[in-house]
Amino acid sequence: QKEVEQDPGPLSVPEGAIVSLNCTYSNSAFQYFMWYRQYSRKGPELLMYTYSSGNKEDGRFTAQVDKSSKYISLFIRDSQPSDSATYLCAMNSGGYQKVTFGIGTKLQVIP
Amino acid sequence: GAVVSQHPSWVICKSGTSVKIECRSLDFQATTMFWYRQFPKQSLMLMATSNEGSKATYEQGVEKDKFLINHASLTLSTLTVTSAHPEDSSFYICSARDAGSAPNYGYTFGSGTRLTVV
Repeated sequence: QKEVEQDPGPLSVPEGAIVSLNCTYSNSAFQYFMWYRQYSRKGPELLMYTYSSGNKEDGRFTAQVDKSSKYISLFIRDSQPSDSATYLCAMNSGGYQKVTFGIGTKLQVIP
Repeated sequence: GAVVSQHPSWVICKSGTSVKIECRSLDFQATTMFWYRQFPKQSLMLMATSNEGSKATYEQGVEKDKFLINHASLTLSTLTVTSAHPEDSSFYICSARDAGSAPNYGYTFGSGTRLTVV
């Protein structure tokens, strides 16, 4: 079993839709959770990070962490064609520990 | 914000030759740099972690003699793929951590290097 599971998609939604992206994980030591956006042939860009359980909102993006279920989510409101990219969840146990990534979900927002 | 410049963005080399990839932190000091490899439709896989002035720590299954990492200064880390073979063709990405940031806040990625070995 992989430490981090993420549906690779692709996920196609119409412009303006609410997008829900999810990851599950197995390592209960993970405490820091991140979401990255990666455009084709580019390095990942950090979108959100959260510590432990709870919600965090930044503009159109909301990150949720449920440590009891080992489940994290990223919601994108009012999705735009420019949001089309691959979204990777990532997590680690904190400090200087290595980051473990999900496989990434490819999102396409159709105008 | 923090910027990591990675070069080259793509390179094609002949089998058996060596290729050097550079990552520079432009506006911050990177005490720790991470090197990842990403195959098509697969996740980022950590290859090694390097700290300035010390030897890199390689992940299990990564050949340290094949993937040479040098982190001689706080702003520059290099990855050299020695005696490259077609199976080394991949997307290599570096990630640097801002020494002045809290843990997990300062991971900035380079733009990646597409290596094709023919």
